Amino acid sequence: DAKTTQPNSMESNEEEPVHLPCNHSTISGTDYIHWYRQLPSQGPEYVIHGLTSNVNNRMASLAIAEDRKSSTLILHRATLRDAAVYYCILRDVETSGTYKYIFGTGTRLKVLA
Amino acid sequence: NAGVTQTPKFQVLKTGQSMTLQCAQDMNHEYMSWYRQDPGMGLRLIHYSVGAGITDQGEVPNGYNVSRSTTEDFPLRLLSAAPSQTSVYFCASRRLAGGAAPEQFFGPGTRLTVL
Repeated sequence: DAKTTQPNSMESNEEEPVHLPCNHSTISGTDYIHWYRQLPSQGPEYVIHGLTSNVNNRMASLAIAEDRKSSTLILHRATLRDAAVYYCILRDVETSGTYKYIFGTGTRLKVLA
Repeated sequence: NAGVTQTPKFQVLKTGQSMTLQCAQDMNHEYMSWYRQDPGMGLRLIHYSVGAGITDQGEVPNGYNVSRSTTEDFPLRLLSAAPSQTSVYFCASRRLAGGAAPEQFFGPGTRLTVL
């Protein structure tokens, strides 16, 4: 299974940018990189995904290294509502030929007021 | 759209009891799955389905059964509950896509305690 490595926790001040790193040195050429986040007592929610190029959406930006062995989720201005566990996930092929998502333990982001 | 709904939100069982966790989605997604999340850990895949009548095992299938008779519903059955099954259970759904990367939608979770 393709695996990811993330720091257990990070802190940020409110309204400052946050860079959440993820290492995925065993990534294959067709693996998409996904980011989900889980707010307290809720199910995970999609944040962003990418394959090779950097991606932007209304929630965040995703910067992917040229060799694709690492990526960084960027929250441009952290708010208290962004306090959550952030998961970096690679897609893995199941025996049926479909894809499954392997969740690690993620990074717990604490935002300080 | 209601998205992915799960019932019940909370459940307490005694060891050996059986029960069914319900999951439904109204987005016409082919793919549905069940995860469990233990304290301080990430999500682990229990079972998944790529369409009505088709199910398969994930990482931790033992002690659980699933069936998929309709596109909308994907119930998870605990056959004989054990304390090790105390966890939060999440149901998720998404489109099937060959090379693309569709977004997964998660339900709010069912918090299960087995005494």
